[in-house]
Amino acid sequence: DIVMTQTPLSSPVTLGQPASISCRSSQSLVHSDGNTYLSWLQQRPGQPPRLLIYKISKRFSGVPDRFSGSGAGTDFTLKISRVEADDVGVYSCMQTTHFPPTFGGGTKVEIK
Amino acid sequence: EVQLVESGGGLVQPGGSLRLSCAASGFIVSSNYISWVRQAPGKGLEWVSVIYSGGSAYYADSVKGRFITSRDNSKNTLYFQMNSLRPEDTAVYYCAREGPDGSYSHWGQGTLVTVSS
Repeated sequence: DIVMTQTPLSSPVTLGQPASISCRSSQSLVHSDGNTYLSWLQQRPGQPPRLLIYKISKRFSGVPDRFSGSGAGTDFTLKISRVEADDVGVYSCMQTTHFPPTFGGGTKVEIK
Repeated sequence: EVQLVESGGGLVQPGGSLRLSCAASGFIVSSNYISWVRQAPGKGLEWVSVIYSGGSAYYADSVKGRFITSRDNSKNTLYFQMNSLRPEDTAVYYCAREGPDGSYSHWGQGTLVTVSS
């Protein structure tokens, strides 16, 4: 199975400041069809996961543009340009290029 | 509006069985890929099973031979039969719809399964 490694485990951020989360896969996530199926999920406390970003950098419907994704191959990044109180939670990367789908361990974003 | 609503969780003894349901609305279950994903207390997300539009189902090694995914197209509902339950199966179980772009675009609110004597 593909191992997804996220850093940092925790990210204390000042309101209005940027945050960045890294995700690294044990193998390239480029599919034979040329696409890279790397997503980012947000999980607020006590809530189910919510899709933020898919195919590395595409924002899902209703996701604010302060969330952005980037990367290629095995290295990916989620950035929040200006953290708001509503952004507190755990962020996880996920790959569906290879079977079975696998998730990163999660990064907790909290306010300083 | 796309919605997924899980039910059926609860407390069960080791070795016992439980059947979860995932009722869908806003889309046709039989035309989509639907996965079960679980999250043990304080832990990360773990993919458990998928059922494809054609009806084929696949499982994580950790549950293969014990859990069965099925669906009732007339009720637009998925089922997750969990047998020979172990304490390590304790988790919140989510059903999630996979979009054509490989993302898990819609998730249910989850149902808690606790395996304990």
